[in-house]
Order: sequence, then C-alpha cells, then structure tokens
Amino acid sequence: VQLVESGGGVIQPGGSLRLSCAASGLSVSNSYISWVRQAPGKGLEWVSVIYSGGKTYNADSVKGRLTVSRDNSQNTVHFQLNSLRAEDTAIYYCARLLSGAMDVWGQGTTVTVSS
Amino acid sequence: QSALTQPPSASGSPGQSVTISCTGTSSDVGGYNYVSWYQQHPGKAPKLIIYEVSKRPSGVPDRFSGSKSGNTASLTVSGLQAEDEADYYCTSYANSNNFPYVFGTGTRVTVL
Repeated sequence: VQLVESGGGVIQPGGSLRLSCAASGLSVSNSYISWVRQAPGKGLEWVSVIYSGGKTYNADSVKGRLTVSRDNSQNTVHFQLNSLRAEDTAIYYCARLLSGAMDVWGQGTTVTVSS
Repeated sequence: QSALTQPPSASGSPGQSVTISCTGTSSDVGGYNYVSWYQQHPGKAPKLIIYEVSKRPSGVPDRFSGSKSGNTASLTVSGLQAEDEADYYCTSYANSNNFPYVFGTGTRVTVL
C-alpha cells in the first residue's frame, strides 16, 4: 500500500499549484484521502479531506482557493490550490484516513511560493 | 476549529517514561474516540503510532500507549530509547461543519 505525491516546485505568488497523489494497493474511490501540509519549522496542518462518496472539506486557510478531485481511472487524487501566498510554502503530504487516523502517508512534495 | 493543545517539549532519560498531553474540548477529544498520535522524525513523513485513543497499528512497539480522560488525551512512551526522540502530534475528529478534524500543536520529545 503506497501513496506517492508529485507536482511540487517553485511557484510565483498569485499562481496556482496542482499536486497529485497516486495510490497503489488501495483504491482512492473507496478511501478517505487527506492532505496535510507542514510549513518550514512549523507543525502539521490538516488542509483537506475527500471522502469516498466525494464530499470534501477544506480548512479555512485554503477555503475558496482549493479544489480536491479524484481520477478513479488513474487511482489518483488531485489537489489544486490557487492564488498562492508565501504562507502556502510547505511540504504537502497526502494520506489515507481510516477510522479517523492517517495510516498510510506519502513521502511529501515541497512547494515554495516565491518570486 | 482551534488546534488541540500539547506541551511544546518533553524529555526523559533512556529507560524512563514520558507522557504527552493533548487537550481539546467536548466537541473533539472529549466527544469522540477518534484520537490518534503520530511520530515524526526530522525530514520524514509522520507515522501513525496510536489510533482510536489507545490502539496500536501493527509493528508499533507496546512501549507506546494512549489513553483519554475527559477532554484530554495522553500518549505515554515507556522505556525511552534514543530513536524515540522526535516530534509527536495528536489529532481528533471534531464536531464541526467547517472541518471535521484537528491537529495538536506538536511536542518535541528529547531523550537526554
């Protein structure tokens, strides 16, 4: 069972980022998938969760800027964050949420918002 | 949703025990048995060590134990080992229309 994030990099303020979380050994269509980020030197922040039924919740810090979607054919979850700010600089992790706990984590992908 | 409160740091000598608290409200920690704990070493992804307050995933040593009383959950690491030096975070399900989960502020555990 594995999750692999991709899509990070350096992005200018005001731009957009699109991250992907590719799953193997589990089906994203039957799973709850979370996105968690960690700014440099800071704690973990839960930013989004997409339920198996498709319902999504986004944290206030990204609300209105974040769209999370699923591609069941590719067994992948996508994370698109717009109007990027310096405070969006972080390592972004995806994780499977099971019984209220995140038991499988990706390795993380680094996003730097800078001009 | 406000973050759950953890002490910034905790420490102990090898072989000793350390307990980390995670304080919330009746809308999160106190209201549900969906408290989990994560260990994070520098530069690594977090690792689940406790779920549903006190259950250990396969492969997690029984030196790690969890409990809850009222609005406060606790993680105890017994028989401290050098490799236990890490950051620890709690999470809880939360009764909130905005976002149903919340992280703790994190605790740095130092093995003296």
